[in-house]
Amino acid sequence: AQSVTQLGSHVSVSEGALVLLRCNYSSSVPPYLFWYVQYPNQGLQLLLKYTTGATLVKGINGFEAEFKKSETSFHLTKPSAHMSDAAEYFCAVSLPQGGSEKLVFGKGTKLTVNP
Amino acid sequence: NAGVMQNPRHLVRRRGQEARLRCSPMKGHSHVYWYRQLPEEGLKFMVYLQKENIIDESGMPKERFSAEFPKEGPSILRIQQVVRGDSAAYFCASSQGLDNEQFFGPGTRLTVL
Repeated sequence: AQSVTQLGSHVSVSEGALVLLRCNYSSSVPPYLFWYVQYPNQGLQLLLKYTTGATLVKGINGFEAEFKKSETSFHLTKPSAHMSDAAEYFCAVSLPQGGSEKLVFGKGTKLTVNP
Repeated sequence: NAGVMQNPRHLVRRRGQEARLRCSPMKGHSHVYWYRQLPEEGLKFMVYLQKENIIDESGMPKERFSAEFPKEGPSILRIQQVVRGDSAAYFCASSQGLDNEQFFGPGTRLTVL
């Protein structure tokens, strides 16, 4: 069964600083990988996803993530944090061609951006 | 194109009552997923439906919970005889099919008194 671990339930950065949110996964087969963002009292919005091909994936709002199979990681980064990036971020996996593309989520990381 | 709609956005029930949560998928989407988010937790998969069929209900509690996605109308998640532990945010997502992005609704926040 797949699982997702997000290191750090809370991350705080200064505006303009690098954002690094960590995600490690466990899966018996190469999974699809996702990062979602959730603003307070809203649903989830897809930031980016990795399925196959290039391991460095660029998403919306200047975020990117790199799939590292040897480290079973899919960390999310952004070079320069903006106040509007303050939200909760969820890493998720699914199994391709499994007949049910249910997403398995990590517990989330709350990002705070300080002025 | 309207996004995924969920109603009500907030629902308060007393212990023992029934809760009905509705999800209207995006236009053209025939696949619906329900997830539950408990406080300080990530989302947990509950059930995956296509029109008139339950495909995967491996995340559904064995009792009191049921889901449907009829040929016409929204998908319904039904919780009978609610208990305090059912208090959570319930999210619906829809997609056009396998290998397609899941789009999430704003959620229904259920509070059981």
